[in-house]
Amino acid sequence: DVKVTQSSRYLVKRTGEKVFLECVQDMDHENMFWYRQDPGLGLRLIYFSYDVKMKEKGDIPEGYSVSREKKERFSLILESASTNQTSMYLCASSLAGAVGLTEAFFGQGTRLTVV
Amino acid sequence: AQSVSQHNHHVILSEAASLELGCNYSYGGTVNLFWYVQYPGQHLQLLLKYFSGDPLVKGIKGFEAEFIKSKFSFNLRKPSVQWSDTAEYFCALGGKLIFGQGTELSVKP
Repeated sequence: DVKVTQSSRYLVKRTGEKVFLECVQDMDHENMFWYRQDPGLGLRLIYFSYDVKMKEKGDIPEGYSVSREKKERFSLILESASTNQTSMYLCASSLAGAVGLTEAFFGQGTRLTVV
Repeated sequence: AQSVSQHNHHVILSEAASLELGCNYSYGGTVNLFWYVQYPGQHLQLLLKYFSGDPLVKGIKGFEAEFIKSKFSFNLRKPSVQWSDTAEYFCALGGKLIFGQGTELSVKP
């Protein structure tokens, strides 16, 4: 079974803090994604990566950056957390091929609250 | 630009009723389409997918979806829902894997 593990289920951070969300997958997938999920807005793509050290912006990259130093790990960084970044963050991975062509597997999500 | 739209935000049905959830997409190229489901407290999982060929695709748990190219649609159907189908359903378009807004389905026993 594919496993996508996000380091925290719940996180509370203060405004202005630098926040790291970690995601690890164990199936040697090339593609990894970060989304945020908000009620009524569905999943919105923040960044995706198709290889180590490779990344592309999604639809809402502002205020975020990512790091992929190893194939299995994809980190989302909030440079200076703000209250409008309070959300559920989902990580996903999939096999190589055209991005989105193969099934994506999701982690359980990290619910981040910025106070 | 790619986009996906789900018009039904919250659907409430009684058990045994038939289900149809709408999904429309915007993309000029070859499309690959997915339906994902998120049961309460669980992670998203794939329900079904369309890549090419037969436009009627069958998925898990009795769900099916029909790809209609002329209407830019990929609607999800189930002839008879169960209480256990209560969940949030997401349509997604391949490429960058863009998701719609989601439809929350509540099935009353």
